[in-house]
Formats: sequence, C-alpha cells, structure tokens
Amino acid sequence: QVQLQESGPRLVKPSETLSLTCTVSGGSMTSYYWSWIRQPPGKGLEWIGYIFFSGATNYNPSLESRVTISVDTSRNEFSLNMRSVTAADTAVFYCARMHTNGWFDYWGQGTLITVSS
Amino acid sequence: SSELTQDPAVSVALGQTVRITCQGDSLGRFPVTWYQQKPGQAPVLIIYAKNNRPSGIPDRFSGSTSGNTASLTITGTQADDEADYYCNSRDNSAHYVFGTGTKVTVL
Repeated sequence: QVQLQESGPRLVKPSETLSLTCTVSGGSMTSYYWSWIRQPPGKGLEWIGYIFFSGATNYNPSLESRVTISVDTSRNEFSLNMRSVTAADTAVFYCARMHTNGWFDYWGQGTLITVSS
Repeated sequence: SSELTQDPAVSVALGQTVRITCQGDSLGRFPVTWYQQKPGQAPVLIIYAKNNRPSGIPDRFSGSTSGNTASLTITGTQADDEADYYCNSRDNSAHYVFGTGTKVTVL
C-alpha cells in the first residue's frame, strides 16, 4: 500500500520561503507524477503543480513564479518550495501521487502551514 | 487554466438519489475525476477515467459526462456519504484544476 507523508516547518514568516517534503513509502516513484495540492481553511482544493519521476515539472500558472518542485527518487521523496509567502498562502498542503492518466490516487494526510509573523 | 463550477451545496434524503454537477469548457476534451472529502481528512478518489471506481468505493457512486457538464450520481445515498465532493480535470497545457466543491448533506 502506497503511503505519503508531508513534513516541514508548520509556521512560516511572511516574505520567507515555505519548504515541504513528501516521503513516499510502499511503492516506487518510477512512472508516476508527484503532485502538491493545497486547501486554505474552509475553502476548496487548489492544484499547485507536479513533477514526473524523471524531473519534468508543470505548475499552476497562478503560482508558477513562486513555486519549485523537485524530486529525489533515491530517497523516495519530493519537495515543494514556495517563495515570498503571505498570509493568503496559509493552507493545508497535501502531497499526492498522480497516475499518468491524470487522477490523484494516493494522498498524504495533509499538513497545515500557517504564514504569520 | 479553465474553471470548473459546482453548486455549493445540495441535500438529499437518506436512501434517495443525488446528482452533483461540474461545468467547464474543458470537460468535453479531457477526463473528469471525482473526490470525496470528509471534515479533517484528505480527499479520496471515487471516480476516474469517466466512470471507474477504485477498489473499495461502493457502486452507488457513478460518473458521466455530457458536453461541458460532468456529473457524479449517488444512488441510494447513505449517511456516510455526507461530505464535500470535488471534480477535477485538466486543460490543453496539462494544468489541473479542481471544481469549486459541493457540500452534500444527507437528511
């Protein structure tokens, strides 16, 4: 059974960089896309971007200027960096596996990241 | 990227049928997937590749698409189906977008 677990600082100061890592267990990262999705408190889901196991990336155009996703298949993990955060970036961040045909079949439990001074 | 619009909330009597719709310009070109999210939990995939269900998802959930509208139908709704439901699809640039979400209340 594939499992994903997000980790990283839960509190980030405005203007700084949010950094999260997703550790994948129970399966190989090969041949899948690995994605980040967020959900502000009380609001809907927003796709942030994905990375293929080979390193190719694709980002939400509204976030692309501030976001970088990287992968380290030797450690079975992928990461998110979001720069210049503001309070509007406060959200639950989920990592998820995306099938090559475009569905998110395994999700992490999510982690609440708060942007505040 | 394109937008996907859902009704904010619907209610359904226990045991009855409810249909949740998702509207967007890209829906006629690319597959739609559906997710169920209960409070405090991660979303769960319930419909993929038009009308396929992952293992463990009851067959009372079904999906369909007609033109620019996708639908999720719950037949014989159970109390456990009370949740938020989100559609998801992509655009020509493989940018993914979630629908605005529908809260289903079971009466």
